[in-house]
Amino acid sequence: SQTIHQWPATLVQPVGSPLSLECTVEGTSNPNLYWYRQAAGRGLQLLFYSVGIGQISSEVPQNLSASRPQDRQFILSSKKLLLSDSGFYLCAWRRDSYNEQFFGPGTRLTVL
Amino acid sequence: TQLLEQSPQFLSIQEGENLTVYCNSSSVFSSLQWYRQEPGEGPVLLVTVVTGGEVKKLKRLTFQFGDARKDSSLHITAAQPGDTGLYLCAGATGSARQLTFGSGTQLTVLP
Repeated sequence: SQTIHQWPATLVQPVGSPLSLECTVEGTSNPNLYWYRQAAGRGLQLLFYSVGIGQISSEVPQNLSASRPQDRQFILSSKKLLLSDSGFYLCAWRRDSYNEQFFGPGTRLTVL
Repeated sequence: TQLLEQSPQFLSIQEGENLTVYCNSSSVFSSLQWYRQEPGEGPVLLVTVVTGGEVKKLKRLTFQFGDARKDSSLHITAAQPGDTGLYLCAGATGSARQLTFGSGTQLTVLP
């Protein structure tokens, strides 16, 4: 069966510091991968998605970037965090049938 | 850009009551999913509907896809405190690889 991992689970960072969030998927090959951000109690905002190694599509221009160095690894980064980057970050992989997406446990990021 | 509107945004009910959550759009979806999310966790897929008029049941939860595949509803019978959570609908259009998410319905079931 497929599983998806995210780390760290929580992170507190000062404004202007760098960021690296990691997502890995097990049990499937060449998955479509997604990064979302969620404000408290609200819907999901798509940030990036990737259909393969080195292929990244950006949905929202901002100071975040994403990379996919390996088939089942997806990384979200920033060189300098802003206060507005605080939120709950979710990684997901997509199953081709019916476009279903399955989510990791998320990372709670607080920028102070 | 497709929009999915969910209503109500917040719902607080007593245990044993029934409720319905709505998800509406002007776009036609090839498939629509419902997710449930608990605080601090990722959303969990409850159901996928793909055929206009389709009805799916998951214990006390009934999901319906509109005939025109533009809207959906989630009905919970005899709600329990364990049903508390954020309910999200999400739709896929055509062959797009992305999902459009609704803004969510925060349900609280009081014992």
